[in-house]
Amino acid sequence: EVHLLESGGGLVQPGGSLRLSCAASGFTFSSYAMNWVRQAPGKGLEWVSHISGSGDSTFYADSVKGRFSISRDNSKNTLHLQMNSLRVEDTALYYCAREPMYYDYIWGSYRGEYHFDQWGQGTLVTVSS
Amino acid sequence: QSALTQPPSASGSPGQSVTISCTGTSSDVGGYNYVSWYQQHPGKAPKLIIYEVSERPSGVPDRFSGSKSGNTASLTVSGLQAEDEADYYCSSYAGFNTLGLFGGGTKLTVL
Repeated sequence: EVHLLESGGGLVQPGGSLRLSCAASGFTFSSYAMNWVRQAPGKGLEWVSHISGSGDSTFYADSVKGRFSISRDNSKNTLHLQMNSLRVEDTALYYCAREPMYYDYIWGSYRGEYHFDQWGQGTLVTVSS
Repeated sequence: QSALTQPPSASGSPGQSVTISCTGTSSDVGGYNYVSWYQQHPGKAPKLIIYEVSERPSGVPDRFSGSKSGNTASLTVSGLQAEDEADYYCSSYAGFNTLGLFGGGTKLTVL
């Protein structure tokens, strides 16, 4: 059974840092791209960041670019999100989400399928003074 | 990139059908067949119910169907059941570097 378990959330002051983790089990972790998606209290979903299965390709939403950094350790089946220079508007429940990949023979590389087929339960980040 | 546009609410009686729209632009919904839909019950994580416009993951009832015309995608829930009451979000690929553009969500009420 696929399982994604986020951790590392908490209360932090504006300008502070947090490192989120997502422990994966029940599937071959390196065969999937991974993403972080957040949801502010009472609001909708917002995609935050993507990392390829090998970890050599990353993308970020404009709202977090330059402040957040996504990484993965395939030997430990773990995904991370380093969040720096946190703002009040970063307050949200942060989900890690699995993204299937396919091999693109034209580009000669694996690419994401742009949907999220498994989600964790989320970890809450509160940015407040 | 602006969020995709969904109606804030939709409703229907048990057994009826309801359709939720998701409007974007030619740079996202209209430009790619990478539209997905997610169901979220209160206090729960989102669940994938439709991907690539109209594909259903295994285990998702065939009462859920997806389609697209131009810049607007649609989710239809047929034979409404009480457990379908939830928030529904659409999402689309929006080109290099914007991998998951979401709609604002639609709260579906089963009357």
